[in-house]
Amino acid sequence: DAGVIQSPRHEVTEMGQEVTLRCKPISGHNSLFWYRQTMMRGLELLIYFNNNVPIDDSGMPEDRFSAKMPNASFSTLKIQPSEPRDSAVYFCASSLQGVGYTFGSGTRLTVV
Amino acid sequence: AQSVAQPEDQVNVAEGNPLTVKCTYSVSGNPYLFWYVQYPNRGLQFLLKYITGDNLVKGSYGFEAEFNKSQTSFHLKKPSALVSDSALYFCAVRMDSNYQLIWGAGTKLIIKP
Repeated sequence: DAGVIQSPRHEVTEMGQEVTLRCKPISGHNSLFWYRQTMMRGLELLIYFNNNVPIDDSGMPEDRFSAKMPNASFSTLKIQPSEPRDSAVYFCASSLQGVGYTFGSGTRLTVV
Repeated sequence: AQSVAQPEDQVNVAEGNPLTVKCTYSVSGNPYLFWYVQYPNRGLQFLLKYITGDNLVKGSYGFEAEFNKSQTSFHLKKPSALVSDSALYFCAVRMDSNYQLIWGAGTKLIIKP
């Protein structure tokens, strides 16, 4: 298995632009998590899906952020419009029944 | 409330010496406990986990951790540190109500030659 695949690895965009981050979880995993990591706030859970259904999105900072999981093999995190304070590394992770969690390599987002 | 504490922001150890990275937790029910490592500019990598069974858990790269229920601790240990062990280490506990992980703030481990 190739692991959790995230794209792009790096994204530089101008303030106000729409940004879409993508994640392919490990085949067979039924839970998917989006995290954001910054020096100031550390690792923050943004949203968590179980069986493609959003379970907890209380970590999504504001309405500019949205996430979807249209099927078991794909998820997106969208920021519209983006702001400089959104600059961070965004990680996707997947899990099978909560007994193991595998992280992707992350997307480093820079909003200028 | 469920929580994880890593009381040390940074731990410095000389190469070849034993290392310990501390983690304590608060969770209702039986905890699922995890350690992850993050190297610079990389994602988090799984080291080891405790779900049930033996309190001493062995993991990747020679690391081990001991689950202590009475002290609600899950400290990460290695008998002989390597410079390449220098990284950021995260402890996490799984919530008993769902599959979310509660994360510690992370401990930066620096191994000096």
